[in-house]
Amino acid sequence: DAGVIQSPRHEVTEMGQEVTLRCKPISGHNSLFWYRQTMMRGLELLIYFNNNVPIDDSGMPEDRFSAKMPNASFSTLKIQPSEPRDSAVYFCASLAGTIYNEQFFGPGTRLTVL
Amino acid sequence: DQQVKQNSPSLSVQEGRISILNCDYTNSMFDYFLWYKKYPAEGPTFLISISSIKDKNEDGRFTVFLNKSAKHLSLHIVPSQPGDSAVYFCAAKGGANNLFFGTGTRLTVIP
Repeated sequence: DAGVIQSPRHEVTEMGQEVTLRCKPISGHNSLFWYRQTMMRGLELLIYFNNNVPIDDSGMPEDRFSAKMPNASFSTLKIQPSEPRDSAVYFCASLAGTIYNEQFFGPGTRLTVL
Repeated sequence: DQQVKQNSPSLSVQEGRISILNCDYTNSMFDYFLWYKKYPAEGPTFLISISSIKDKNEDGRFTVFLNKSAKHLSLHIVPSQPGDSAVYFCAAKGGANNLFFGTGTRLTVIP
């Protein structure tokens, strides 16, 4: 298996622009997580889905952030409009099922908002 | 508020010696704990875990200890190798699927 796939790996954009990050979970995994890594707060959970349904989005910083999972093999995290403080590494992770505990992470997307 | 804390942002150890990474948590409902290892420009990878019903789990050079009364866990690496140099994240899981992560400890193993 190719593991969790994220694109793009790097994104540089200007303040005010829309940014869309993409994730393909491991085939057969039914939970998907979006995290943001910053120096100050480490890995923060933004939102997670079970069977394509958002379960907990309490970590989404504000209305500028939205996430979708239209099917079991694809999810997006959108920031509109983007701000310099959104600059971070964004990770997607997937989990095989509720009886499992190990999440498998993608390589991350490094976002820079100028 | 951080429910999982790693108070040492960095640690340097000589090759061959023991590395001890520490983690504290505040939520007594956590029932499963994991350590992840992260190299630059890569995602975190699972290293070792422990259930709250145990106090020790060993896998090769890696051992995780859990002290529930102190709400503390530690990761021991012995002997440490230069390839162990990475950022180590402690994570905890409650009843739901989500994990709570610490801020990480950067381990440097000096050859």
